Amino acid sequence: DGGITQSPKYLFRKEGQNVTLSCEQNLNHDAMYWYRQDPGQGLRLIYYSQIVNDFQKGDIAEGYSVSREKKESFPLTVTSAQKNPTAFYLCASSIDTPPGQDYNEQFFGPGTRLTVL
Amino acid sequence: GQNIDQPTEMTATEGAIVQINCTYQTSGFNGLFWYQQHAGEAPTFLSYNVLDGLEEKGRFSSFLSRSKGYSYLLLKELQMKDSASYLCAVSGNTPLVFGKGTRLSVIA
Repeated sequence: DGGITQSPKYLFRKEGQNVTLSCEQNLNHDAMYWYRQDPGQGLRLIYYSQIVNDFQKGDIAEGYSVSREKKESFPLTVTSAQKNPTAFYLCASSIDTPPGQDYNEQFFGPGTRLTVL
Repeated sequence: GQNIDQPTEMTATEGAIVQINCTYQTSGFNGLFWYQQHAGEAPTFLSYNVLDGLEEKGRFSSFLSRSKGYSYLLLKELQMKDSASYLCAVSGNTPLVFGKGTRLSVIA
């Protein structure tokens, strides 16, 4: 079955440690995204990538880094520079979404809840 | 700038009808999505509106007025399982911009 997977579902880290969140999709989608969601809040865009080996910062990129070496994979690293990393992280993908693209429904993975102790 | 407004919380009774409003001001507009998100889970697609008017899909309908920058999601015959957050998202000149979501509680 096609879909997006994120692992692990729950992740605990000590303050000051970098941590990498996995996101894999087998939908053959070109575009992938990372969002952060805090309690009672909407989705805030961290980074997105429209094509392999290219990515752009979203609204809250500081303290995060990404790579896009393969079409299927878009890992997110939460660095020690991120001041408040505890949150629910969602990865999504869509068929193709240059800004201005008409239909760009995003399909979401199950999310990773990161807690920094 | 980009701005999407939705009510923070709503409560409705099982079997009733509820309307969740969304107003937006974004740079460019191609269409508007509604997603449902249960607590701790991923958002799932409900509807997409491009043209003005009402799109009906079973118990859920979505309306769009491009000239007014306004949309609503209408849920009929509410069920307890409809308790969730409902996210409005606009497709424009940037990747999807999401509102903060409306948390709907359905009570008996």
